[in-house]
Amino acid sequence: DGGITQSPKYLFRKEGQNVTLSCEQNLNHDAMYWYRQDPGQGLRLIYYSQIVNDFQKGDIAEGYSVSREKKESFPLTVTSAQKNPTAFYLCASHRTGWDQPQHFGDGTRLSIL
Amino acid sequence: SQQGEEDPQALSIQEGENATMNCSYKTSINNLQWYRQNSGRGLVHLILIRSNEREKHSGRLRVTLDTSKKSSSLLITASRAADTASYFCATDGKTSGSRLTFGEGTQLTVNP
Repeated sequence: DGGITQSPKYLFRKEGQNVTLSCEQNLNHDAMYWYRQDPGQGLRLIYYSQIVNDFQKGDIAEGYSVSREKKESFPLTVTSAQKNPTAFYLCASHRTGWDQPQHFGDGTRLSIL
Repeated sequence: SQQGEEDPQALSIQEGENATMNCSYKTSINNLQWYRQNSGRGLVHLILIRSNEREKHSGRLRVTLDTSKKSSSLLITASRAADTASYFCATDGKTSGSRLTFGEGTQLTVNP
């Protein structure tokens, strides 16, 4: 079955540490997105990529970095510069086109130790 | 600020009743989408309505769009306990391409 896989499901970060969240899709989608969700809140866009080797900042990119070396993979690194990283992180993808629904992974919950 | 805002923030109903959630947005859009999120899971796409459409149906879901009022509503008929989830509207601004802006969601609880 095609879908989006996020790993790990739970992740703990120590002070001063960078951590990387994985997002892999086998849907052959060009566009991929990273969102942050805080308790009781909607989704805020961190980074997105419309094509391999290209990505753009979203609304809350500070303290995060991404890469898009392969079509199926869009890892997100939460750097030590992100002072409040505790949140639920969601990865999504969609086919090319402005009217395509986004498909989501099941998220990674990141907490501070 | 968020493009979409849902109303109410929380809704509790009995099984069999209808549930109506509303979404307002600020700028012109190409389309508006509704998503559902079960607790601790990712979002699942429910329905997309284009800016030139006024109403759309999918099973027990009915979505309306009023571009003059910049608002949309999602109606779930004959609700079931399994409909318990958070529901989000998402809009793409005409100048933002395929980027979506999500509202803060309505938490629906359907009591058996």
